[in-house]
Parts: sequence; structure tokens; C-alpha cells
Amino acid sequence: EVQLLESGGGLVQPGGSLRLSCAASGFTFSSYVMTWVRQAPGKGLEWVSGISGSGGVTYYADSVKGRFTIARDNAKNTLYLQMNSLRDEDTAVFYCAKDEPPYCAGDCYQDSWGQGTLVTVSS
Amino acid sequence: QSVLTQPPSVSGAPGQRVTISCTGSSSNIGAGFDVHWYQQLPRTAPKLLIYVNSNRPSGVPDRFSGSKSGTSASLAITGLQAEDEADYYCQSYDSSLSGSVVFGGGTKLTVL
Repeated sequence: EVQLLESGGGLVQPGGSLRLSCAASGFTFSSYVMTWVRQAPGKGLEWVSGISGSGGVTYYADSVKGRFTIARDNAKNTLYLQMNSLRDEDTAVFYCAKDEPPYCAGDCYQDSWGQGTLVTVSS
Repeated sequence: QSVLTQPPSVSGAPGQRVTISCTGSSSNIGAGFDVHWYQQLPRTAPKLLIYVNSNRPSGVPDRFSGSKSGTSASLAITGLQAEDEADYYCQSYDSSLSGSVVFGGGTKLTVL
């Protein structure tokens, strides 16, 4: 059974940093693109970032490019999102998700999701 | 403003059929990219409902179906049940955007 468990959320001041983690199990982690999706309070889903199975290719939404960095450690089956220069509008629940099909490039979908971790940016 | 446009809300009585539209453009759905649908029950994570336009993952009832034509896609739910009350999101790929993955704004389904 696929399991994704996010951690690292919390309250941070504007301009601050936070690193999210997502521990994965139940599948061959290195074979799959992984994705971060966020949802601001009362709002819809927003794709944030994706990373190839090897970690060599990364993708970012314009709203976070230059501030967020996605990474993965395939030896630890863990996905990360380093968030710097946080803004009020980054307040959201952040979900990690596993993409399908394996080795997909761009036209992927998310077949498994974590429970989410809340990031609150406020002074 | 989402790249993919969905109605903010739809409603129907138990047993009825409802459809949710997802309208895109020539750089996403119209370019041939697939559409996927997610269901988000209150206070839970999204769940994959339909993938690659019309395919249901294991465990999703056949009351849910998807279709795609031109620059639009649709999700249909037949035999509406109370537990279908949720938010529904479409998703596709957009060749004009740097990140490229796009979601619709979401549709709140109310079962009357």
C-alpha cells in the first residue's frame, strides 16, 4: 500500500524559511515523478513543483520559482520542499503526491496523496 | 483565474445525474493533453477519480465517468448519492506555462 506522510509545516514569519518532508513507502520511490500541490484556506488546488525520479529534472510554478526548491533522497525514500522568502500568500496546506505513470514527463496525474501539512505565514 | 474553467457549483437530488464541465484552450486540452479528475471530500486530501480522460482507478464506482472533446472535458455522476457531496477538480497539462500542470478552479457538488 502506498503511503505518503508529510511533515515540517508550521507557523513562520514573512520572509522566513521552512523545509517540508514527505516520507514515502509501498512503491519503488525512484521510479516515480513526485509532486507538491498546495491549497490555500478555502481555495482550490495549485500545483507547486515536480521532480523526476532521478531528481535530475525539476519543475516549478511561476508563483514559487526562485523561492522554493524541490529535492529528493531516493536512498531515504523522501521528498523535500525547501521554501524560502515565504509570503503571506504561501499560507496553505501542502500535499505531496506520487505521479503516474512511472517515468512520466509532463502529462502525469497524481494517483496517491499524503494527508497534507499546514504552512502558515504570518507575523 | 484558473487556466481551466469549471463552474463554481452544481447540485442535484439523490439518484439524479449531474455533469461538471472543464473548459480549456488550444494550449492544454485542445492540444490533445489528457484530463484527470479529483474528488476532495470535506477536510480530506484529494483523491484520483478519473485519469486519462475516461479511466477509473480501481475502487471508483462506475457511476463516475469522464469524457473529453475539443477544448473541454466533462465529469458525469449518475445515481447521485449523499456521499458524493465534495469538491471536484479537473487537471491537465499546458504547453504555454513553465510549470505546465494546471488545475481547474474546482466545483462544489451539493446533493440536495
